Amino acid sequence: KAGVTQTPRYLIKTRGQQVTLSCSPISGHRSVSWYQQTPGQGLQFLFEYFSETQRNKGNFPGRFSGRQFSNSRSEMNVSTLELGDSALYLCASSWTGLAGLNEQFFGPGTRLTVL
Amino acid sequence: AQSVSQHNHHVILSEAASLELGCNYSYGGTVNLFWYVQYPGQHLQLLLKYFSGDPLVKGIKGFEAEFIKSKFSFNLRKPSVQWSDTAEYFCAVRSHFGNEKLTFGTGTRLTIIP
Repeated sequence: KAGVTQTPRYLIKTRGQQVTLSCSPISGHRSVSWYQQTPGQGLQFLFEYFSETQRNKGNFPGRFSGRQFSNSRSEMNVSTLELGDSALYLCASSWTGLAGLNEQFFGPGTRLTVL
Repeated sequence: AQSVSQHNHHVILSEAASLELGCNYSYGGTVNLFWYVQYPGQHLQLLLKYFSGDPLVKGIKGFEAEFIKSKFSFNLRKPSVQWSDTAEYFCAVRSHFGNEKLTFGTGTRLTIIP
């Protein structure tokens, strides 16, 4: 079974631009979560989608948004990029979305650099 | 709010030494606990998990962890480390009855000297 895939793997943008990252979960998985990983803050939860609905959201500004499609694929969008948005963005998928029953599988991440 | 503390930021050991990485969490309810590993250039992989039952859980590559509820701890152990264990290790917690949000510790970088 193929793992979680994320595209693109690397991105370079300039301040003020916007960016869209894509995540394809493991086949059959319906929950997709996004995390931001930086050296200073570590791994921080952005949001989670299940059956096309955002179920949970972390403490990030409204410039960070996401969506999920009917095939469970998810996209994350960051508008008006700032230098501090440079990070590794990780996507994770799980089967049922019922916390007590399953684990998350992580993708390789998208490395975003904002200049 | 949930939080996770990993007090060891960087640990350096020689091969064959024993390993224990500390993890303490703050949460008032029933939790699921995880240890993830990130090898250089690779994505996060699950080492082991605790959902319920036996508090001593065994994971891949000879790792184990013990859940001590009274101490809010979930320390990772390995009796004899190898050079290939060089990686960053993350402890994570989530509510057992909630949804998928994982709260991670800041990670421990482990360097094994051959």
